Amino acid sequence: GAVVSQHPSWVICKSGTSVKIECRSLDFQATTMFWYRQFPKQSLMLMATSNEGSKATYEQGVEKDKFLINHASLTLSTLTVTSAHPEDSSFYICSARDLGGGRSYEQYFGPGTRLTVT
Amino acid sequence: AQSVSQHNHHVILSEAASLELGCNYSYGGTVNLFWYVQYPGQHLQLLLKYFSGDPLVKGIKGFEAEFIKSKFSFNLRKPSVQWSDTAEYFCAVNARGNNRLAFGKGNQVVVIP
Repeated sequence: GAVVSQHPSWVICKSGTSVKIECRSLDFQATTMFWYRQFPKQSLMLMATSNEGSKATYEQGVEKDKFLINHASLTLSTLTVTSAHPEDSSFYICSARDLGGGRSYEQYFGPGTRLTVT
Repeated sequence: AQSVSQHNHHVILSEAASLELGCNYSYGGTVNLFWYVQYPGQHLQLLLKYFSGDPLVKGIKGFEAEFIKSKFSFNLRKPSVQWSDTAEYFCAVNARGNNRLAFGKGNQVVVIP
Protein backbone atom coordinates (compact mmCIF):
# COMPACT_ATOMS: atom_id res chain seq x y z
CA GLY A 1 0.00 0.00 0.00
CA ALA A 2 0.85 3.73 0.11
CA VAL A 3 1.86 4.12 -3.50
CA VAL A 4 2.38 7.50 -5.11
CA SER A 5 2.64 7.88 -8.86
CA GLN A 6 3.83 10.74 -11.01
CA HIS A 7 3.18 11.49 -14.65
CA PRO A 8 5.04 11.98 -16.83
CA SER A 9 8.26 10.35 -15.70
CA TRP A 10 10.22 12.58 -18.02
CA VAL A 11 9.43 15.49 -20.28
CA ILE A 12 11.36 17.67 -22.69
CA CYS A 13 9.91 21.03 -23.59
CA LYS A 14 10.95 24.20 -25.36
CA SER A 15 11.76 27.36 -23.49
CA GLY A 16 8.68 29.48 -22.93
CA THR A 17 6.18 26.65 -22.83
CA SER A 18 4.34 25.31 -19.79
CA VAL A 19 4.52 21.81 -18.41
CA LYS A 20 2.10 20.06 -16.08
CA ILE A 21 3.19 17.27 -13.74
CA GLU A 22 0.65 15.08 -11.96
CA CYS A 23 1.04 13.43 -8.58
CA ARG A 24 -1.46 10.79 -7.49
CA SER A 25 -1.88 8.79 -4.32
CA LEU A 26 -3.09 5.43 -5.61
CA ASP A 27 -4.37 3.61 -2.54
CA PHE A 28 -4.87 6.25 0.09
CA GLN A 29 -6.23 9.74 0.47
CA ALA A 30 -3.86 12.61 0.94
CA THR A 31 -5.08 15.98 2.14
CA THR A 32 -1.49 17.16 2.02
CA MET A 33 1.04 16.61 -0.73
CA PHE A 34 4.49 18.07 -1.12
CA TRP A 35 6.53 19.12 -4.13
CA TYR A 36 10.31 18.87 -4.05
CA ARG A 37 13.05 19.73 -6.46
CA GLN A 38 16.26 17.74 -6.60
CA PHE A 39 19.39 18.97 -8.35
CA PRO A 40 22.09 16.50 -9.39
CA LYS A 41 24.09 15.23 -6.43
CA GLN A 42 22.10 17.43 -4.07
CA SER A 43 19.34 16.96 -1.58
CA LEU A 44 15.63 17.40 -2.00
CA MET A 45 14.49 20.97 -1.58
CA LEU A 46 10.90 21.50 -0.54
CA MET A 47 9.17 23.85 -2.96
CA ALA A 48 5.64 23.91 -1.64
CA THR A 49 3.02 22.17 0.41
CA SER A 50 -0.14 21.36 -1.49
CA ASN A 51 -3.35 21.38 0.51
CA GLU A 52 -6.53 19.85 -0.84
CA GLY A 53 -9.17 22.47 -1.38
CA SER A 54 -6.99 25.43 -0.49
CA LYS A 55 -4.01 27.39 -1.71
CA ALA A 56 -0.56 25.89 -1.66
CA THR A 57 2.04 27.10 0.80
CA TYR A 58 5.27 28.01 -0.94
CA GLU A 59 8.74 27.97 0.57
CA GLN A 60 10.77 31.12 0.63
CA GLY A 61 12.31 31.90 -2.73
CA VAL A 62 9.89 29.79 -4.76
CA GLU A 63 7.87 31.81 -7.28
CA LYS A 64 4.24 30.87 -6.85
CA ASP A 65 3.29 32.40 -10.19
CA LYS A 66 5.85 30.26 -11.94
CA PHE A 67 5.15 27.00 -10.15
CA LEU A 68 1.37 26.67 -10.04
CA ILE A 69 0.02 24.01 -7.73
CA ASN A 70 -3.51 22.69 -7.75
CA HIS A 71 -4.72 20.06 -5.30
CA ALA A 72 -8.11 19.38 -6.78
CA SER A 73 -8.94 16.13 -5.03
CA LEU A 74 -7.79 13.92 -2.18
CA THR A 75 -5.70 11.85 -4.56
CA LEU A 76 -4.35 14.34 -7.09
CA SER A 77 -2.05 17.32 -7.00
CA THR A 78 -0.58 19.00 -10.08
CA LEU A 79 2.46 21.18 -10.52
CA THR A 80 2.55 23.41 -13.59
CA VAL A 81 5.85 24.99 -14.53
CA THR A 82 4.83 28.07 -16.47
CA SER A 83 6.99 29.72 -19.13
CA ALA A 84 9.73 27.20 -18.50
CA HIS A 85 13.37 28.16 -18.94
CA PRO A 86 16.49 26.00 -19.05
CA GLU A 87 17.26 26.81 -15.42
CA ASP A 88 13.98 25.09 -14.50
CA SER A 89 15.42 21.80 -15.74
CA SER A 90 15.49 19.52 -12.74
CA PHE A 91 14.06 16.44 -11.10
CA TYR A 92 10.69 17.15 -9.50
CA ILE A 93 9.44 14.80 -6.82
CA CYS A 94 6.12 14.75 -5.04
CA SER A 95 5.18 13.08 -1.80
CA ALA A 96 1.97 12.54 0.07
CA ARG A 97 1.04 12.08 3.68
CA ASP A 98 -1.30 9.29 4.66
CA LEU A 99 -3.25 10.52 7.63
CA GLY A 100 -4.88 7.21 8.32
CA GLY A 101 -3.70 4.14 10.19
CA GLY A 102 -1.30 5.87 12.55
CA ARG A 103 1.13 6.78 9.80
CA SER A 104 0.42 10.44 10.05
CA TYR A 105 4.01 11.66 10.00
CA GLU A 106 5.22 9.53 7.16
CA GLN A 107 5.52 10.79 3.61
CA TYR A 108 5.39 8.50 0.60
CA PHE A 109 7.33 9.58 -2.42
CA GLY A 110 6.59 9.41 -6.09
CA PRO A 111 9.18 8.24 -8.61
CA GLY A 112 9.91 11.77 -9.79
CA THR A 113 9.66 13.63 -13.08
CA ARG A 114 12.73 14.64 -15.03
CA LEU A 115 12.12 17.98 -16.74
CA THR A 116 14.48 19.19 -19.44
CA VAL A 117 13.90 22.62 -20.95
CA THR A 118 15.69 23.28 -24.22
CA ALA B 1 13.67 26.09 10.89
CA GLN B 2 15.24 22.70 11.23
CA SER B 3 18.34 21.76 9.24
CA VAL B 4 20.00 18.41 8.71
CA SER B 5 23.67 17.60 8.26
CA GLN B 6 25.08 14.49 6.68
CA HIS B 7 28.82 14.13 6.34
CA ASN B 8 31.05 12.03 4.08
CA HIS B 9 28.89 12.38 1.01
CA HIS B 10 30.67 9.56 -0.83
CA VAL B 11 31.26 6.27 0.96
CA ILE B 12 32.91 3.30 -0.74
CA LEU B 13 33.22 0.00 1.06
CA SER B 14 33.52 -3.71 0.41
CA GLU B 15 30.83 -6.29 0.95
CA ALA B 16 30.54 -7.51 4.55
CA ALA B 17 32.01 -4.27 5.88
CA SER B 18 30.08 -2.33 8.47
CA LEU B 19 28.39 0.92 7.54
CA GLU B 20 27.61 3.92 9.68
CA LEU B 21 26.20 7.16 8.31
CA GLY B 22 25.98 10.20 10.52
CA CYS B 23 23.01 12.51 10.73
CA ASN B 24 22.77 15.59 12.91
CA TYR B 25 19.92 18.03 13.05
CA SER B 26 19.41 21.44 14.49
CA TYR B 27 16.11 21.94 16.19
CA GLY B 28 15.43 22.27 19.87
CA GLY B 29 11.94 20.83 20.01
CA THR B 30 10.43 17.40 19.53
CA VAL B 31 11.21 15.85 16.18
CA ASN B 32 10.32 12.93 13.98
CA LEU B 33 13.32 11.36 12.27
CA PHE B 34 13.59 9.36 9.07
CA TRP B 35 16.10 7.63 6.88
CA TYR B 36 15.18 7.23 3.23
CA VAL B 37 17.03 5.22 0.61
CA GLN B 38 17.09 5.84 -3.13
CA TYR B 39 18.38 2.90 -5.17
CA PRO B 40 19.73 3.69 -8.64
CA GLY B 41 16.88 4.63 -10.93
CA GLN B 42 14.25 4.22 -8.24
CA HIS B 43 12.25 6.53 -6.02
CA LEU B 44 12.79 7.33 -2.39
CA GLN B 45 11.79 4.57 0.00
CA LEU B 46 11.49 4.70 3.75
CA LEU B 47 14.21 2.72 5.48
CA LEU B 48 13.19 3.45 9.06
CA LYS B 49 11.67 6.11 11.25
CA TYR B 50 11.62 7.32 14.82
CA PHE B 51 8.64 9.01 16.41
CA SER B 52 8.95 8.10 20.09
CA GLY B 53 9.85 5.24 22.43
CA ASP B 54 12.92 3.05 22.08
CA PRO B 55 15.66 5.24 20.59
CA LEU B 56 17.15 2.26 18.79
CA VAL B 57 15.04 1.74 15.70
CA LYS B 58 15.24 -1.26 13.43
CA GLY B 59 14.31 -0.88 9.80
CA ILE B 60 14.18 -2.95 6.68
CA LYS B 61 17.09 -4.87 5.15
CA GLY B 62 19.05 -5.09 8.38
CA PHE B 63 19.43 -1.35 8.94
CA GLU B 64 19.08 0.29 12.31
CA ALA B 65 19.41 3.81 13.64
CA GLU B 66 19.89 5.26 17.07
CA PHE B 67 18.38 8.52 18.24
CA ILE B 68 20.63 10.31 20.72
CA LYS B 69 18.71 13.34 21.85
CA SER B 70 21.61 14.95 23.68
CA LYS B 71 23.68 14.85 20.52
CA PHE B 72 20.86 15.76 18.13
CA SER B 73 21.88 12.73 16.12
CA PHE B 74 20.19 9.87 14.33
CA ASN B 75 22.98 7.75 12.86
CA LEU B 76 22.25 4.87 10.52
CA ARG B 77 24.07 1.56 10.81
CA LYS B 78 24.30 -1.81 9.15
CA PRO B 79 26.75 -4.40 10.47
CA SER B 80 27.43 -6.13 7.16
CA VAL B 81 26.61 -4.49 3.83
CA GLN B 82 25.81 -6.18 0.56
CA TRP B 83 26.35 -5.06 -3.00
CA SER B 84 22.61 -4.41 -3.22
CA ASP B 85 22.95 -1.70 -0.56
CA THR B 86 24.56 0.55 -3.16
CA ALA B 87 22.28 3.59 -3.07
CA GLU B 88 21.89 7.12 -1.85
CA TYR B 89 20.76 7.53 1.73
CA PHE B 90 18.95 10.60 3.03
CA CYS B 91 18.28 11.61 6.59
CA ALA B 92 15.17 13.73 7.12
CA VAL B 93 13.65 15.53 10.07
CA ASN B 94 10.38 17.21 10.76
CA ALA B 95 9.41 19.14 13.81
CA ARG B 96 6.48 17.53 15.60
CA GLY B 97 3.29 19.11 14.38
CA ASN B 98 4.95 20.56 11.29
CA ASN B 99 4.24 19.12 7.88
CA ARG B 100 7.57 20.00 6.38
CA LEU B 101 10.43 17.55 6.04
CA ALA B 102 13.98 18.85 5.98
CA PHE B 103 16.45 16.61 4.17
CA GLY B 104 20.17 16.23 4.52
CA LYS B 105 22.35 16.30 1.41
CA GLY B 106 22.55 12.54 1.29
CA ASN B 107 25.27 9.90 1.36
CA GLN B 108 26.19 8.14 -1.85
CA VAL B 109 27.15 4.63 -0.76
CA VAL B 110 28.90 2.26 -3.16
CA VAL B 111 29.45 -1.33 -2.07
CA ILE B 112 32.11 -3.20 -4.00
CA PRO B 113 31.48 -6.92 -4.45
